[in-house]
Amino acid sequence: GAVVSQHPSWVICKSGTSVKIECRSLDFQATTMFWYRQFPKQSLMLMATSNEGSKATYEQGVEKDKFLINHASLTLSTLTVTSAHPEDSSFYICSARELTGGTEAFFGQGTRLTVV
Amino acid sequence: AQSVTQPDIHITVSEGASLELRCNYSYGATPYLFWYVQSPGQGLQLLLKYFSGDTLVQGIKGFEAEFKRSQSSFNLRKPSVHWSDAAEYFCAVVGNNDMRFGAGTRLTVKP
Repeated sequence: GAVVSQHPSWVICKSGTSVKIECRSLDFQATTMFWYRQFPKQSLMLMATSNEGSKATYEQGVEKDKFLINHASLTLSTLTVTSAHPEDSSFYICSARELTGGTEAFFGQGTRLTVV
Repeated sequence: AQSVTQPDIHITVSEGASLELRCNYSYGATPYLFWYVQSPGQGLQLLLKYFSGDTLVQGIKGFEAEFKRSQSSFNLRKPSVHWSDAAEYFCAVVGNNDMRFGAGTRLTVKP
């Protein structure tokens, strides 16, 4: 199947700093990428949907100024957690859907963010 | 918007026993349904998916699932569980443009 690479796998940052997480589709072009957040022992909560070349669509309750999403190319989307605080510590997972259609999305391996 | 319910938060089965994980969905049209497995600290691995056609879907690792439109269900089954199946299982549905997940079912396997 198609491969989605997420980087970094884990990151520790100081409170108040910003962290960027990358999501790349390695062997396909992705018009749409999704960003999820997962708290320990909980499900994946959709944060936002990004389409290449346009602004991301955020789910209700997700601060778009806090979680900046950029989808500048068909193979790369980034999530930047700005002015991170300990409550932003979580597992962030991206997924990507192929350009050629279909409803299946392929998932990255996730990024464990710890804000200290 | 579409939604998914996994009624069982935690299930414990003995190794070698059969398994059924429940999933109910809510969506006005024909949904696209998925089952994923997640080990601690890891990403998601796709077990199987249903788009159309045969309502009994075979997946990897000996898993299968049956789509029942009348019951709005897509339950996951395995005839004989192995200790390595212990993990978190998520049912997901694609309706409009995005994928929504159930709360997950944690599977514990007893020796």
